[in-house]
Amino acid sequence: NAGVTQTPKFQVLKTGQSMTLQCAQDMNHEYMSWYRQDPGMGLRLIHYSVGAGITDQGEVPNGYNVSRSTTEDFPLRLLSAAPSQTSVYFCASRKAGGTYNEQFFGPGTRLTVL
Amino acid sequence: GNSVTQMEGPVTLSEEAFLTINCTYTATGYPSLFWYVQYPGEGLQLLLKATKADDKGSNKGFEATYRKETTSFHLEKGSVQVSDSAVYFCALSDLYNTDKLIFGTGTRLQVFP
Repeated sequence: NAGVTQTPKFQVLKTGQSMTLQCAQDMNHEYMSWYRQDPGMGLRLIHYSVGAGITDQGEVPNGYNVSRSTTEDFPLRLLSAAPSQTSVYFCASRKAGGTYNEQFFGPGTRLTVL
Repeated sequence: GNSVTQMEGPVTLSEEAFLTINCTYTATGYPSLFWYVQYPGEGLQLLLKATKADDKGSNKGFEATYRKETTSFHLEKGSVQVSDSAVYFCALSDLYNTDKLIFGTGTRLQVFP
């Protein structure tokens, strides 16, 4: 199993450009999430999904869109990039059910918005 | 709302020294508590967890005990190695929505030979 994969690894954008960060998992996990990691702030939840066709907002959803058309994929879209979105983005997935199931994280995408 | 507070880093230790990284939390109810580790250039990995008061999570020589009375979940290891150098995150999950992990700011550990 490849686990959780993310592409690209690095990206530089200009203010106002749009792009999609890709996330895929091959563990047949129902739940998927996107976090951003900023210095001194830990990880903050952007959006999450409990299954195909179902998404919800996390702590910092503004400026980002998501969709979940398949169990495997959970892309994150930046419609009009801003310097405040410079961050490292992590995708995570976990299996449904139980009191708590471990979240598996991808290797991250480092995004710089100029 | 729920929150996690971790000690500031970096923590710098010599190999075989004793490690403590403090973590306290504020939460409604009794959340599950976690320590995640991030090695350089990688994503986060679950290190250990505890789901109820007085539970002790342990893995790879690391331990943390869920203390409800002090709302703490301090990470300890008796003898650190250079390979333990990483960033450690304390986190809690919402009781009713376990997808919502709330992370502390992270503590960088540097271990020198």
